[in-house]
Amino acid sequence: QKEVEQNSGPLSVPEGAIASLNCTYSDRGSQSFFWYRQYSGKSPELIMSIYSNGDKEDGRFTAQLNKASQYVSLLIRDSQPSDSATYLCAVNQAGTALIFGKGTTLSVSS
Amino acid sequence: SAVISQKPSRDICQRGTSLTIQCQVDSQVTMMFWYRQQPGQSLTLIATANQGSEATYESGFVIDKFPISRPNLTFSTLTVSNMSPEDSSIYLCSVVGDSFGNEQFFGPGTRLTVL
Repeated sequence: QKEVEQNSGPLSVPEGAIASLNCTYSDRGSQSFFWYRQYSGKSPELIMSIYSNGDKEDGRFTAQLNKASQYVSLLIRDSQPSDSATYLCAVNQAGTALIFGKGTTLSVSS
Repeated sequence: SAVISQKPSRDICQRGTSLTIQCQVDSQVTMMFWYRQQPGQSLTLIATANQGSEATYESGFVIDKFPISRPNLTFSTLTVSNMSPEDSSIYLCSVVGDSFGNEQFFGPGTRLTVL
């Protein structure tokens, strides 16, 4: 059974702090790794994709991938109250559907 | 990315009836998927909608309960048949296209309540 594990949270951080979200996956054949943000009552929105080991930065977001440890993380710098949402980690092999973790709820307090 | 629409956006249905959900994309896509998200839960894949052939269902989902059509590269339907309150969920279609690599994008979802 292919699994993606995330801490459900809630993860609470003050405004301006760094939020760190973590994810592990069981399938060593996984090739693509994604972070989605989901606001309550809305559909998931893709915010980061990463395919190779190392860091990938996009604005305030940094995704980190370590395939040897089967570990993916998302760092959100200068967290804002608008970042308060559920963050879903998802992985797949090329051409297949995504396998999702249960999501981590982030709360940013002003 | 693609512009994805779903109809209806929400519905309230009676037990034992069926509802067909439509997913329309503004460009041709290579793959379309249907997911379910039960209240407070993450996303569960129902099936892969295959263009011109039968859908590929995940364990726990069957064609009689969730028939799927995909007549072309921009459109798919999911029917939830003989509904019970346990079918109350958000149903989401998602797509992958050649123009956006392996990234998968989601429609706005259909919120279904079964009484």
